[in-house]
Amino acid sequence: SQQGEEDPQALSIQEGENATMNCSYKTSINNLQWYRQNSGRGLVHLILIRSNEREKHSGRLRVTLDTSKKSSSLLITASRAADTASYFCATDAETSGSRLTFGEGTQLTVNP
Amino acid sequence: NAGVTQTPKFQVLKTGQSMTLQCAQDMNHEYMSWYRQDPGMGLRLIHYSVGAGITDQGEVPNGYNVSRSTTEDFPLRLLSAAPSQTSVYFCASRSGTGIGTDTQYFGPGTRLTVL
Repeated sequence: SQQGEEDPQALSIQEGENATMNCSYKTSINNLQWYRQNSGRGLVHLILIRSNEREKHSGRLRVTLDTSKKSSSLLITASRAADTASYFCATDAETSGSRLTFGEGTQLTVNP
Repeated sequence: NAGVTQTPKFQVLKTGQSMTLQCAQDMNHEYMSWYRQDPGMGLRLIHYSVGAGITDQGEVPNGYNVSRSTTEDFPLRLLSAAPSQTSVYFCASRSGTGIGTDTQYFGPGTRLTVL
């Protein structure tokens, strides 16, 4: 079964707007990672947040983690058409032996 | 560095045929894994390896075999292809098995169709 579940499944916004995607998980984690996948391509690592961190920034990306709610959010600010892609959260659970478990992803479309 | 490479990019098989998907990485990573991605879904772990000579099953291992004779290579074998194995297959590697800090690097994928 999937450890992470993204919400929404699909998101369509205009260029310049912010995009927020959420991820919920079920078990205690070591870290949570966000990946991006362009259509027909492999996944690219965006950002990793450890279980003892609450917020992390990387360029236009902001990730938050709430371990009490077992949830994370990815915010992309000032979105661009080039941000159009699928975004996946992946959890490294404490009991997984360092295996990542991926959610089903959020399909983001940024309209020019 | 070439990173993680996969061959072939595309493959069409008939039911019952066998084949090997190749994966190689040149980053001296200990940890390698195979995932499959079905349309509109996330990735599901098939098999993984924490080092040469060591492999283990993931979430959906049935119908697949792996071996890890070298650090660089991690081939995935389909023993007798079935239409349910039609999918995109991704190989990935990461630098270690320690807690917390390892980024996973993905190959470009192999798109497999089983007729």
